Amino acid sequence: DTEVTQTPKHLVMGMTNKKSLKCEQHMGHRAMYWYKQKAKKPPELMFVYSYEKLSINESVPSRFSPECPNSSLLNLHLHALQPEDSALYLCASSQGLMNTEAFFGQGTRLTVV
Amino acid sequence: QQQVKQSPQSLIVQKGGISIINCAYENTAFDYFPWYQQFPGKGPALLIAIRPDVSEKKEGRFTISFNKSAKQFSLHIMDSQPGDSATYFCAASYAGKSTFGDGTTLTVKP
Repeated sequence: DTEVTQTPKHLVMGMTNKKSLKCEQHMGHRAMYWYKQKAKKPPELMFVYSYEKLSINESVPSRFSPECPNSSLLNLHLHALQPEDSALYLCASSQGLMNTEAFFGQGTRLTVV
Repeated sequence: QQQVKQSPQSLIVQKGGISIINCAYENTAFDYFPWYQQFPGKGPALLIAIRPDVSEKKEGRFTISFNKSAKQFSLHIMDSQPGDSATYFCAASYAGKSTFGDGTTLTVKP
């Protein structure tokens, strides 16, 4: 199983809503990532977890709050987002942080209205 | 400051031709260089990757050439097929931080 599963596939939320994106992998990977991708742009790293601990936060606004409840799950909690936060949010995982293959999920298409 | 520069932005190739995409990086700390293929509405999928101690890696129709002294690497797609039409991203990674190039939209005409 080389799959990273993200739910939901699509999400529309208002600027006052609170929602969560979920990501799951069962490959035994110990590093998990959140990326944001705008249309026709490359993925931009947001957060990296290693062994369930936050390793990298790329100066992401606090309205995005990551959580890693266990080694297989990664959540991204969303609160008070802005329309410019609308994007494809991608989760990825890899065996470790150092030069290992990263597997991406299909992403959650988020629209903030 | 863009750390990974990718060219061309778009590429049109005839079926059976060779597609070549180039990337250049600046930070010599990078130690892993993957190439990703992305179809519309899908997440990126790893195609092939190389480490800086190797100058070339081939997997099927895909080859990475790596020039450490020039800080450049390239993807060659041999016998390009219409199904290869997608966006290709190069990336450079170190300690979990991946920096992507801006992407190349490849169109393979039948």
